[in-house]
Amino acid sequence: DSGVTQTPKHLITATGQRVTLRCSPRSGDLSVYWYQQSLDQGLQFLIQYYNGEERAKGNILERFSAQQFPDLHSELNLSSLELGDSALYFCASSVDPPRMGGDTQYFGPGTRLTVL
Amino acid sequence: AQSVTQLDSHVSVSEGTPVLLRCNYSSSYSPSLFWYVQHPNKGLQLLLKYTSAATLVKGINGFEAEFKKSETSFHLTKPSAHMSDAAEYFCVVNFDRGSTLGRLYFGRGTQLTVWP
Repeated sequence: DSGVTQTPKHLITATGQRVTLRCSPRSGDLSVYWYQQSLDQGLQFLIQYYNGEERAKGNILERFSAQQFPDLHSELNLSSLELGDSALYFCASSVDPPRMGGDTQYFGPGTRLTVL
Repeated sequence: AQSVTQLDSHVSVSEGTPVLLRCNYSSSYSPSLFWYVQHPNKGLQLLLKYTSAATLVKGINGFEAEFKKSETSFHLTKPSAHMSDAAEYFCVVNFDRGSTLGRLYFGRGTQLTVWP
């Protein structure tokens, strides 16, 4: 158990809908990251937050957004869902901005999103 | 361009024989390097991490990896495979090492099968 929690574990929804995935980082970790794992693209970095502020963006679609709240939990919002958004979404956390030695990321169990 | 390549998509070994999973990266400097493992329907677990303290890195469950700068490689090995090692293994790179960014770049993964 990494200490990172994600809810829900599974999510089944229809095209055009909107969903919210939730992540709670390990106690004391200030950085949160979101990744998408799909058969086509493999594992891809989506976005990073540190202490409530966005730090880095990857290949995140405009239909997707995220935020990190004062209690450090994070939510990933996916809207206007398409079939191709079906994937496993991982959240990870690390102890601080990834300076020397602080860049180990611990992953949650993931949320499996199925869009029908 | 920065990239990470896992040279084998599938590796099959017999129980008790050595394991070699190959990884090469492309970068003009030494990034942080990781190996993660993903068991079926599970999250990503950190096996080991290289940060420049030593070129031979020992991880959990008897795995180790050797960083070779001249070859830009970070191959994962284990002297004797166990049935429980069957899983997907990811070579992961943080090209932003030393900065406040923490984007991880994943190889496409190597599926390890262990035969009894």
